[in-house]
Amino acid sequence: NAGVTQTPKFQVLKTGQSMTLQCAQDMNHEYMSWYRQDPGMGLRLIHYSVGAGITDQGEVPNGYNVSRSTTEDFPLRLLSAAPSQTSVYFCASSYAGDLLAGELFFGEGSRLTVL
Amino acid sequence: AQKITQTQPGMFVQEKEAVTLDCTYDTSDQSYGLFWYKQPSSGEMIFLIYQGSYDEQNATEGRYSLNFQKARKSANLVISASQLGDSAMYFCAMREERDDKIIFGKGTRLHILP
Repeated sequence: NAGVTQTPKFQVLKTGQSMTLQCAQDMNHEYMSWYRQDPGMGLRLIHYSVGAGITDQGEVPNGYNVSRSTTEDFPLRLLSAAPSQTSVYFCASSYAGDLLAGELFFGEGSRLTVL
Repeated sequence: AQKITQTQPGMFVQEKEAVTLDCTYDTSDQSYGLFWYKQPSSGEMIFLIYQGSYDEQNATEGRYSLNFQKARKSANLVISASQLGDSAMYFCAMREERDDKIIFGKGTRLHILP
């Protein structure tokens, strides 16, 4: 099984450019989320979704947009990249509404550098 | 507001010793879940153990156990008989039932010494 697939794995952008990080899962998970990981800061939640058509902000949503048109896909858009968005991004999914089945399944991560 | 605190940025432990990684949390929700994940140097995130707020017994998974003290709002991870392969970053996380979002702490980097 593919699990959670993130693309691209590496990306270099110039300040002001836009891009989309793709995330797809094949486990029929209702819950999908995006995190960024920076040294000393742990994983910080950017946006999350509990089902198609539903999205909500996390801890650090500024500068990022998301949409959830299907259960499988949850793309993360950077509208105008800034050096502060240099980070490793993780997409993760799980079942929703059931704490016992709340284990997150992570993608491999996407390393983004903004120059 | 939901919050996870891991107060140990780094720890050095001798191989075969037991390790306790601290995690405290803050929530006003009565129903929530607590999770621990391991991130080796290769970068992938590995789920280790889960504890529900209504579970009366501490969770265990092999060499991992979760010391859950609800009144103190703490959920410490205990690794028994540590191994060199346990060297990694460890994250505590919490999920509240009411909004389903999952928040992580800043992590603890564990170094196991031979």
